[in-house]
Amino acid sequence: DGGITQSPKYLFRKEGQNVTLSCEQNLNHDAMYWYRQDPGQGLRLIYYSQIVNDFQKGDIAEGYSVSREKKESFPLTVTSAQKNPTAFYLCASTLAGVLGELFFGEGSRLTVL
Amino acid sequence: GDSVTQMEGPVTLSEEAFLTINCTYTATGYPSLFWYVQYPGEGLQLLLKATKADDKGSNKGFEATYRKETTSFHLEKGSVQVSDSAVYFCALSDPYQKVTFGTGTKLQVIP
Repeated sequence: DGGITQSPKYLFRKEGQNVTLSCEQNLNHDAMYWYRQDPGQGLRLIYYSQIVNDFQKGDIAEGYSVSREKKESFPLTVTSAQKNPTAFYLCASTLAGVLGELFFGEGSRLTVL
Repeated sequence: GDSVTQMEGPVTLSEEAFLTINCTYTATGYPSLFWYVQYPGEGLQLLLKATKADDKGSNKGFEATYRKETTSFHLEKGSVQVSDSAVYFCALSDPYQKVTFGTGTKLQVIP
């Protein structure tokens, strides 16, 4: 079955540690996205990538980093510079030129203690 | 930058009531507009879309019309059911595939 797999589903880390969230898709989609979902704030775009080896900052990129070395993978690193990292993180993807029709993963909940 | 503003929730309606969830946007150029839905315990999924002015998107009895003159894309349904209880997100995409979401509106339908 085609889809988007995010891992881990739940993650606990100590303050000051970097954390990497995995996102893999087998939909042959070109574009991939990372959003953060907080209660009352909806989804806020962290980074997105339209093609391999290229990505753009979203609206809240500070304290995060990404890479896009393979079409199917778009890992997100939450660095120690992110001031409030505890949140629910969603990965999404879509085909090139198909504007806005995103397929979402099930999300990863990060709790920083 | 682009932005999407939705009415605050939660919205509580009785079954068979008429639903309107307001959405307005700010964007340069001509974005495509979307409504997504997140049912309890499930992931986000696309509900409907409209890609140009005056287009009407529809799905599962929900409708929304792209109004360029009022920069709006309000979601409507004539008769809601308990199964429509969910969080609804309005979103827009610019031509370069940047997708911006609103804050979401929680709908609760009571029998």
